[in-house]
Order: sequence, then structure tokens, then C-alpha cells
Amino acid sequence: EVQLLESGGGLVQPGGSLRLSCAASGFTFTTYAMSWVRQAPGKGLEWVSIITGSGHSTYYADSVKGRFTISRDNSKSTLFVQMNSLRVEDTAVYYCAKSIPSSGYLFPPIDSWGQGTLVTVSS
Amino acid sequence: DIQMTQSPSSLSASVGDRVTITCRASQVISNYLAWYQQKPGKVPKLLIYAASTLQSGVPSRFSGSGSGTDFTLTISSLRPEDVATYYCQKYNTAPLTFGQGTKVEIK
Repeated sequence: EVQLLESGGGLVQPGGSLRLSCAASGFTFTTYAMSWVRQAPGKGLEWVSIITGSGHSTYYADSVKGRFTISRDNSKSTLFVQMNSLRVEDTAVYYCAKSIPSSGYLFPPIDSWGQGTLVTVSS
Repeated sequence: DIQMTQSPSSLSASVGDRVTITCRASQVISNYLAWYQQKPGKVPKLLIYAASTLQSGVPSRFSGSGSGTDFTLTISSLRPEDVATYYCQKYNTAPLTFGQGTKVEIK
């Protein structure tokens, strides 16, 4: 069974930093692209970032480009996102998400989600 | 960047009704389109990918169609457990934009 367990959320002041982690289990981690998706309170889903299985390629939403860095440690089956220069509008539940098998897709859609970790940016 | 627009934003239908949700891309995305269901208080669930491929375990009353810029998600016979917000997502190129969501309720 696929399990994705996020951690690292919390309250941070505007301009601050936070690092989220996602411990994965139940599948061969290195085989799958992984993403971060966020959802502001009462709002819709917003894609944040994706990293390929090897970790060699990363992509970001314009809203976080230059401030967030996605990475992975395949030896520990763990996904990360380093969030710097946080803004009030970054307040959201952040979901770690696993893609379906690549099957030729560069950006496979998501088939598994963690329960999310809440990031609140406020003074 | 390609924008994804869903319609309607919300709908109310009776149990047993056929429900259709549309998703329009601002540029051609071939069939790189997925649909997700998010029930209240729950994480999203993949329903359909490649515009029309049903994810394993998803009931057959859900179906998807379309290609290019216009896509539809159809629930052939609405059930109470289908109350949820439905999102489309493009995945041909980054950014992998979601639509704004369509909230489905029971009348």
C-alpha cells in the first residue's frame, strides 16, 4: 500500500523559510515522479512543483519559481520542498503526491496523495 | 501559460441524473488531461487520465472524453456518494495547471 507522510508544516512569518518532507513507502520510490500540490483554505488545488524519478529534472509553478526548491533522497524514499521568502499567499495545505507510472509521460498525473501538512504564513 | 477553465463552477442535480462537467484549455493539449474527485475533507482521487482512461477501481458511471482543447467528465447516473468537487488538470507541459473546480451537490 502506498503511503505518503508529510511533515514540517507550521506557522512562519512572512519572509521566513520552511522545509517540508514527505516519507514514502509501499512502492519503488525512485521509479516515480513526485509532486507538491497545495490547497489554500476553502480554495482549489494549485500545482506547485514536480521532480522526475531520478531527481535530475525539476519544474515549478510561476508563483513559487525562485523561492521553492523541490528535491528528493531516493536512498531514503523521501521528498522535500525548501520554501524560502514565504508570503501570506503561500498559506495552504501542502500535499505530497505520487505520479502514475511514466509510460512515456514526462509529467504523469497523480494517483496517490498524502494527507497534507498545513503551512501558515502570518505575522 | 495554458489556462484551464471548468464549467459550471457548481451544479445541483438529482440522484440518477446524468451530469456533465466541461474543461477547456486555452491552447491545444492533445489528450493530456486528468480528472480528480475531492470529497469534503478528503484528499483528491484520480478518476480519469489521458482524457478518457478510467483509473483502476473507479466506477464505470464515470467517463471522460475530448481532445485538443475541450474535454468533458460525465457521471452517467449521479449517486449521493458523488458529492464532491471535481478538478481537471493538464499535464502535457509544465506548469501542470488545475481547473478551478466544479462543486457537485445533490438536489
